[in-house]
Amino acid sequence: QVQLVESGGGVVQPGRSLRLSCAASGFIFSTYALYWVRQAPGKGLEWVALISYDGNNKYYADSVRGRFTISRDNSKNTLYLQMNSLRDEDTAMYYCARTQSGGYWSPFDYWGQGTVVTVSS
Amino acid sequence: EIVLTQSPGTLSLSPGERATLSCRASQSVSSSSLAWYQQNPGQAPRVLVYGASSRATGIPDRFSGSGSGTEFTLTISRLEPEDFAVYYCQQYGSSPITFGQGTKLEIK
Repeated sequence: QVQLVESGGGVVQPGRSLRLSCAASGFIFSTYALYWVRQAPGKGLEWVALISYDGNNKYYADSVRGRFTISRDNSKNTLYLQMNSLRDEDTAMYYCARTQSGGYWSPFDYWGQGTVVTVSS
Repeated sequence: EIVLTQSPGTLSLSPGERATLSCRASQSVSSSSLAWYQQNPGQAPRVLVYGASSRATGIPDRFSGSGSGTEFTLTISRLEPEDFAVYYCQQYGSSPITFGQGTKLEIK
């Protein structure tokens, strides 16, 4: 069955860095576009970053562009999110999500359980 | 970007009642690329409906979606105890994808 398992979250000071990982299984990882989506405590869902199936195309929300980098290793079935210059407002649960069709513009049919990032001094 | 506005913010109903949740878009959603998700406390969202009206795999038929253009509705015909959760709409037809702010369905 399809599984997405995030890791790498934690408590970090403002201005520092963190790298999240999302280990995938149960599907052909290299054929799907993948997203990172976050949810601040008690708030709604916010798209963060998108990567194409081959890693050649990457897109970012305005709120993280220039600070976050999405990447993937198709040989390891793993998605990453490198987060630099973290701010208080980056505090959230971070989910990786798979698109239903494999393309960019498709609903998310599988989500990971999330990993919590807390930015605090 | 397309802004999605959900109403009401909170809906208080009893098991067995019918729930109607609304999602209004700031501009037309292309190809009815509108999905609905359910999120229970401490869990990731799960897709209920996509393409405005297609139920996702394994979703009970008491859930139904409708609408087009800028107005969309999720209807739960007879509420079960496990349906009390937060519901989000999402448009995925235009970049960037966007979510509504959510409707909390609570037990009356």
